[in-house]
Amino acid sequence: DIVMTQTPLSLPVTLGQPASISCRSSQSLVHSDGNTYLSWLQQRPGQPPRLLIYEISDRLSGVPDRFSGSGAGTDFTLKISRVEAEDVGVYSCVQTTQFPFTFGEGTKVEIK
Amino acid sequence: QVQLVESGGGVVQPGRSLRLSCAASGFIFSSYDMQWVRQAPGKGLEWVAGIWYDGNSKYYADSVKGRFTISRDNFKNTLFLQMNSLRAEDTAVYSCARGRTHLSAWGQGTLVTVSS
Repeated sequence: DIVMTQTPLSLPVTLGQPASISCRSSQSLVHSDGNTYLSWLQQRPGQPPRLLIYEISDRLSGVPDRFSGSGAGTDFTLKISRVEAEDVGVYSCVQTTQFPFTFGEGTKVEIK
Repeated sequence: QVQLVESGGGVVQPGRSLRLSCAASGFIFSSYDMQWVRQAPGKGLEWVAGIWYDGNSKYYADSVKGRFTISRDNFKNTLFLQMNSLRAEDTAVYSCARGRTHLSAWGQGTLVTVSS
């Protein structure tokens, strides 16, 4: 199974400041079709997960452009350019390149 | 508006069975692969099972293989998870999610508690 390792697991951030979360996979996430199926999910308190970013850097329609994804192969990053109060929650990376799908442990973003 | 609504959760004794449902609306259900994902209390997300859009291929996590069965009824726009031989470690919120290359929509989840 592919192991997804996120850092940090806790991220206190000042409102208006940037935030960055790293996700590393134990093997390449490049699919045989050439695409890399690495997504980022946001889970606000008491809410189900919500897809933010897919295929490393594509933002789902309606997701604010302060969220961006980057990376390749086994190293990926989610960045929030300026954290807002509504961004509080847990952020998880997930690989859907191969079964079983696997998630990172989650990074808890909170306001300082 | 895309909507996924799970039902069927509850408290069940170890070794017993439970069947979860996920009612889909707002999209062409029969065109999408579907997944079940669970989250134990205070823990991260864990993928449980997946099924192709036509039901012809199914995939399971090792932790549930042989005990859980995923299925779907494309006429009723409903996804199912039959859970047998339940264990305490199966206690979690179970959510259905749409898609395979990316999980673009999620339900609120239904809580399954396995306890004597």
